[in-house]
Amino acid sequence: DTGVSQNPRHKITKRGQNVTFRCDPISEHNRLYWYRQTLGQGPEFLTYFQNEAQLEKSRLLSDRFSAERPKGSFSTLEIQRTEQGDSAMYLCASSLADSGANVLTFGAGSRLTVL
Amino acid sequence: GQSLEQPSEVTAVEGAIVQINCTYQTSGFYGLSWYQQHDGGAPTFLSYNALDGLEETGRFSSFLSRSDSYGYLLLQELQMKDSASYFCAVRDHSASKIIFGSGTRLSIRP
Repeated sequence: DTGVSQNPRHKITKRGQNVTFRCDPISEHNRLYWYRQTLGQGPEFLTYFQNEAQLEKSRLLSDRFSAERPKGSFSTLEIQRTEQGDSAMYLCASSLADSGANVLTFGAGSRLTVL
Repeated sequence: GQSLEQPSEVTAVEGAIVQINCTYQTSGFYGLSWYQQHDGGAPTFLSYNALDGLEETGRFSSFLSRSDSYGYLLLQELQMKDSASYFCAVRDHSASKIIFGSGTRLSIRP
């Protein structure tokens, strides 16, 4: 396994456009998380899945954001009608449920720049 | 809600010891973790404490006091490669969501 893979690594878009990011987790991991990180800050929780079920979504997340994990494997995060404030690094992480520490393995991230 | 506080910056000398503190407030608590992130890289897991006391992993140790809602990461024999941001993180009441602090940027001088 090559770890958590995220695509694209960089995305530049104009305000108002829609963007979609993909995350391929470690294959045996059944939990998948999306975080957003801006410069000098810690990862901010967005949402997470256990298998294909989305179990929690941050209240900070507007309804322009949607995430799916249709078959319990890869996940997509879509941002509709992007705004300049959406510019950030979007991090995906996966973990194995029932592991005591719930260790998150992060992907390299997808950097979004909204012009 | 949940909140974590840690110093924003710490500077130390190569070969020395440094401690990074973290205090937390959370509704329900299932453990405190520490992650390291180098500039331009992804966060990577360092350690986890579910019970009070000290956990040691090589040059790094992590401590937890649940009664004080406090923990720290101790880095010994500092090396230049330890220059990075360090985040404490808590598992919340659901035991699945993990909330991160804003991070401590560690700078190491020769």
